[in-house]
This record gives sequence, structure tokens and C-alpha cells, in this order.
Amino acid sequence: GAGVSQSPSNKVTEKGKDVELRCDPISGHTALYWYRQSLGQGLEFLIYFQGNSAPDKSGLPSDRFSAERTGGSVSTLTIQRTQQEDSAVYLCASSPHTRGVLNTGELFFGEGSRLTVL
Amino acid sequence: QKEVEQNSGPLSVPEGAIASLNCTYSDRGSQSFFWYRQYSGKSPELIMSIYSNGDKEDGRFTAQLNKASQYVSLLIRDSQPSDSATYLCAVTFNSGGGADGLTFGKGTHLIIQP
Repeated sequence: GAGVSQSPSNKVTEKGKDVELRCDPISGHTALYWYRQSLGQGLEFLIYFQGNSAPDKSGLPSDRFSAERTGGSVSTLTIQRTQQEDSAVYLCASSPHTRGVLNTGELFFGEGSRLTVL
Repeated sequence: QKEVEQNSGPLSVPEGAIASLNCTYSDRGSQSFFWYRQYSGKSPELIMSIYSNGDKEDGRFTAQLNKASQYVSLLIRDSQPSDSATYLCAVTFNSGGGADGLTFGKGTHLIIQP
């Protein structure tokens, strides 16, 4: 596709359930990021993938959060035993630029997955 | 602590006027600066990037960077109602951290009044 694709666009779940969010980056983009945005808040970095390198997980808020990127393309963010404070929009972004270059911050965002935990 | 500060607003500007959005950052060693626009209910979209001191113009948008004072600004000339959005400032910190230290401010909500 032409842009970053995320699914589902909306997810309502009950507290304690597990959820999976999917991101399909722009073809050829080696860098992939997950961010979280709560209502009225800024973007909170979660995790960063660069090609086949080990991901930077420094932003994951707890061990209930995990993510993987298969074959250097599609990524899945998994939240186990969801809590109400996990409710937010989860944004995926990709970039053709590698870490350490000036334009590393030029990201292309998907439309996000809105998660509501009841 | 790597910080990017923005006035949350709302900043209200009459149509046709110049909108001025400001951002300060904490790390003097930062090298890359970005402005993203986010419409309500939508995802952020990159509109400007700037890497050296001075002004960078792109259409009605001008980004200004002053590394000595640690601030970056975005000017929108001839403001249009369609410019009403939240503008996010993002800065790359070079002392490590996630995503090469890219940190977003919380954004300034801009309203262009017709």
C-alpha cells in the first residue's frame, strides 16, 4: 500500500484480556516505531525496530507489553492482561532513515488503533 | 531528563494573520528538529524539518532554529481555517534513548478564526 496500515482501527476489550495490534509499514522502510497517545497527551515512545537489529524496547511501560517484527516488515504489538490505563491510540510509524542520521525523525504515521479497555 | 516544551494553547489567530508556534528543548546537543501537524482524530503528519541555525521556508511555513537559545519555532503566514490543528514539535537527542532520542512535545492547539 501507499501508506502505513494499522489494524484494527478500533478495539474495545474487557480488563484482563489480551490484545494484538498490527502494523504494516511502507514498503522498503527499514525503521518502525510504536507510539502511544492518550487523550490530550503527547506521543509516548514505546519501541523501535531497525531492520533485523535487536529492537529498542526502552519505552515499553511494563512487561505486559511486547512487540515483534517478522521478516523486517509487519509488526505486532501485544498487550497482555489489559488494564484501563492502557486505553489510548496506538500509533505505528515507519521511516526509510536509519538511526543516527539527521533526518531520522522524518516519520510516516499510520492512522492508529484506538484501544478502549472497559 | 530530555524535555521538549510547548505551550498547549489554544492559540487563536485571525484568518490571514501570521501564526507563531514556539518550542524549547533541554539538550544543547540536539541536532534535528521537526514539526508535525495533527488534525483532530487523525495521525501526525510531518510538515517541516530543520537541522541548522536560521530560517527554512516551505510555502506558507517557515521554521526557525536558534541552537544557542535552544528554541525552534514555526511561522504560518496567511493563516487559513484549514491550518487549525495541533502542532507537535519533535527533537532528536543525541545522548541516547529510544528511537535515537526522538522526543515529542505535547503540542500546541492552533485555532484560525475566520
